[in-house]
Order: sequence, then structure tokens, then C-alpha cells
Amino acid sequence: QSALTQPPSASGSPGQSVTISCTGTSSDVGGSNHVSWYQQHPGKAPKLMIFEVSQRPSGVPDRFSGSKSGNTASLTVSGLQADDEAEYYCSSYTDRNTWVFGGGTELTVL
Amino acid sequence: QVQLVQSGAEVKKPGASVQISCKASGYSFSNYYVHWVRQAPGQGLEWMGRIKCNDGSTIYAKNLQGRVTLTRDTSTTTLHMELNSLRSEDTAVYYCMRDNHAWSFDYWGQGTLVTLSS
Repeated sequence: QSALTQPPSASGSPGQSVTISCTGTSSDVGGSNHVSWYQQHPGKAPKLMIFEVSQRPSGVPDRFSGSKSGNTASLTVSGLQADDEAEYYCSSYTDRNTWVFGGGTELTVL
Repeated sequence: QVQLVQSGAEVKKPGASVQISCKASGYSFSNYYVHWVRQAPGQGLEWMGRIKCNDGSTIYAKNLQGRVTLTRDTSTTTLHMELNSLRSEDTAVYYCMRDNHAWSFDYWGQGTLVTLSS
């Protein structure tokens, strides 16, 4: 199973919005509602930010939102804050009963 | 509170095996699945496999099948990941994670660094 495709980097100024894409195939992102997003700060374990395409776990600010169109899922971070600077990974359940991750996107808050 | 606490860092020689443990607490152990992923230095996340904690059934990533074994001990609520025939590309931080019943990972262990060194 090939990794999902994410842009290597994204950036925005404080207060702005940024969207990170995650492109797969009909065997994973396009065929599954089990798409999730994780935030990872350096040296830390990843943290779940979005599950089931657009659901936020309790405690995650509503500045974080998710969506999907066809084989591409997206994570939007609104009202950028300094602490949002991190690596972001998407993940999808696949039709082979396995999971696949994206290569990660480094978000920089300018 | 839900916690997954992993065993400490390991240094192994190529060809050896490594076993990492993941002690779960704060939730009903048998009602959840637990997954394992790894992250090579400076790289992304790679899914390794999943275990169903009530009956021990497993699914593995195709590229690791035959080298990785996931087990669980319900009496101690501990998960184990064993990786055999280690090679240099197995140098990574290994994580255990709880599946939140929505095929996503809501709680993560702190990670265990495995370093291959001859």
C-alpha cells in the first residue's frame, strides 16, 4: 500500500487559515470515511485532531476542521496560532483491512 | 485516565530480535483494538499492525508479515510487539496506540526508540 500524498510543507501567518491536502485512491481515502489527522510536535507522540473525515475529539479546538472530496481529504487550520506549528499526518483505513499514512506536512507559522 | 506506557529504548545488532511492551491502563482493556506504528528518524509514520485485545486476533502490514508478531496479556493488560531479523532500516521510534472504535488512534504510548548498531 503506497503512502498517501501530502505536500511536504505549508505555512501561514498568525490569524490566517491554511489547508493541507491528503490524496489517496479509491481503495483508501476515496472509499473510506475513516480518514484521520494527527499533529506531531518535535520529539512528541502524535495527537489525534480529526477522525471520521470531519469529527473532532473532545478538547481539540474548532479551529481545526476536516473534509473530503473524492480521493482527497483536507485539514483546515483557521486562526493560526504559534502552537499550531507542527508536523501533520493524515491516515486512512483501506479496503485491504489495513491502515496507511501520509508522508507528513510541516506547518510553519510565519 | 487512559495511559499507554511503553518499555525503554533498545540497542540491537542486525539479525537480532526486539520485543517492546505497552502497558495499558485506565480503560476496559478487552473492549479495544491496539495498533503499532513506527517512525524512522526524520521520516513519516508507518502502520505495522493491529491486535484485537479480547481474542488476540491480528492483522499485519504486508511488508512486515513474517517478521512482526503482536500479542497481548489480558491478566496484566500489556501488549507486546516483537520484530525479528532486524536490519538497519528498522531503526525507528515504535508507538502503540488505542483504536477509538472509529479506526483512528486516540491514545498513544510515549514511543520506544530501537537503534540498530553492529
